[in-house]
Amino acid sequence: GAGVSQSPSNKVTEKGKDVELRCDPISGHTALYWYRQSLGQGLEFLIYFQGNSAPDKSGLPSDRFSAERTGGSVSTLTIQRTQQEDSAVYLCASSPRVGDSPLHFGNGTRLTVT
Amino acid sequence: RKEVEQDPGPFNVPEGATVAFNCTYSNSASQSFFWYRQDCRKEPKLLMSVYSSGNEDGRFTAQLNRASQYISLLIRDSKLSDSATYLCVVNLENSWGKLQFGAGTQVVVTP
Repeated sequence: GAGVSQSPSNKVTEKGKDVELRCDPISGHTALYWYRQSLGQGLEFLIYFQGNSAPDKSGLPSDRFSAERTGGSVSTLTIQRTQQEDSAVYLCASSPRVGDSPLHFGNGTRLTVT
Repeated sequence: RKEVEQDPGPFNVPEGATVAFNCTYSNSASQSFFWYRQDCRKEPKLLMSVYSSGNEDGRFTAQLNRASQYISLLIRDSKLSDSATYLCVVNLENSWGKLQFGAGTQVVVTP
């Protein structure tokens, strides 16, 4: 498609379960970013990829969070043993280059942990 | 001090008026600056990049003040459709790809 695609759009899960969120970036975009946004809050940086490598993982909130990107395209964000404080909208963005080009965001995945 | 700070507002602006607000950043070596707008429960969308010399896009003007480490956004002739949260974005020099978002400034344009 023309834009960044994220799936699922909504996910409700029970506390303690693992979840996997998917992001399909715009074709040809080298950089891919994950952010999360809690209700009424700003965007919290999680991780970015340059190609398949993640030079900066400092934003991941805990070791329950991991992300990978394969083939320089699709990325998955995995949250293990989900907690209620993980509830948020997880936004993925891509850009042609790292750092100096604007981000194009997907519609996000709204995660609710019950 | 937060890396990127914004006045949360809200800025209540009569239709047709001008509104301006700033965003301060802590890293003096930051190189990339953007303004995004976010509508309620929607994803952020790029409004404009901010260049060293300042730049204008229609009714929107962005400025960069490196000495005082802030960027500004000015909206002229405000429209009802300008009501949104405006997010400033700054890269961190020691992590080129880490684009840090401010918490946003809410603008409400009233008839």
